[in-house]
Amino acid sequence: DGGITQSPKYLFRKEGQNVTLSCEQNLNHDAMYWYRQDPGQGLRLIYYSQIVNDFQKGDIAEGYSVSREKKESFPLTVTSAQKNPTAFYLCASLRTASSYNSPLHFGNGTRLTVT
Amino acid sequence: GESVGLHLPTLSVQEGDNSIINCAYSNSASDYFIWYKQESGKGPQFIIDIRSNMDKRQGQRVTVLLNKTVKHLSLQIAATQPGDSAVYFCAENQETSGSRLTFGEGTQLTVNP
Repeated sequence: DGGITQSPKYLFRKEGQNVTLSCEQNLNHDAMYWYRQDPGQGLRLIYYSQIVNDFQKGDIAEGYSVSREKKESFPLTVTSAQKNPTAFYLCASLRTASSYNSPLHFGNGTRLTVT
Repeated sequence: GESVGLHLPTLSVQEGDNSIINCAYSNSASDYFIWYKQESGKGPQFIIDIRSNMDKRQGQRVTVLLNKTVKHLSLQIAATQPGDSAVYFCAENQETSGSRLTFGEGTQLTVNP
């Protein structure tokens, strides 16, 4: 089955450490996205990539970094500069960035806890 | 800025009843709308979508209604089942924003047996 795989499901880190969240898709989609979800809030866009080797900042990019070296992979690094990193992180993909009237496909998320 | 929001944060219904979840949006340029279902600890799952050239669309046990005049979107679930218990999000998009969806906060639907 085609889909988006996020790993690990749960991640625990000490404050001051960088951590990288994995996102892999086998849907052959060009565009990929990272969202952050906090309790009782809507999804907020961190970074997105419309094509390999290209990415743009979303609404809350500070303290995060990404890379897009392969079409199927879009890892997110939460750096020590992110003030409130504890959250549920969701990766999503879309066939092409111009497919604005198509739904995003989501992975099952990674819950990051930083203490 | 522009936002998509929900009227009610929680909704509790009896099994077998119909459920209606509402969503208000403020961007009159939005022309594509989606409903997602999110179960605890999982990612959002696509339920149904609608384009602005329509005012109603039906799926299996679900109907989405769009009222562009008052910028209101609703999701109707027929014969609600315990498995429908989840958080439901609406999202909106427009061609000029590319694929950057704007999401509402979500409504928690609880189905009582």
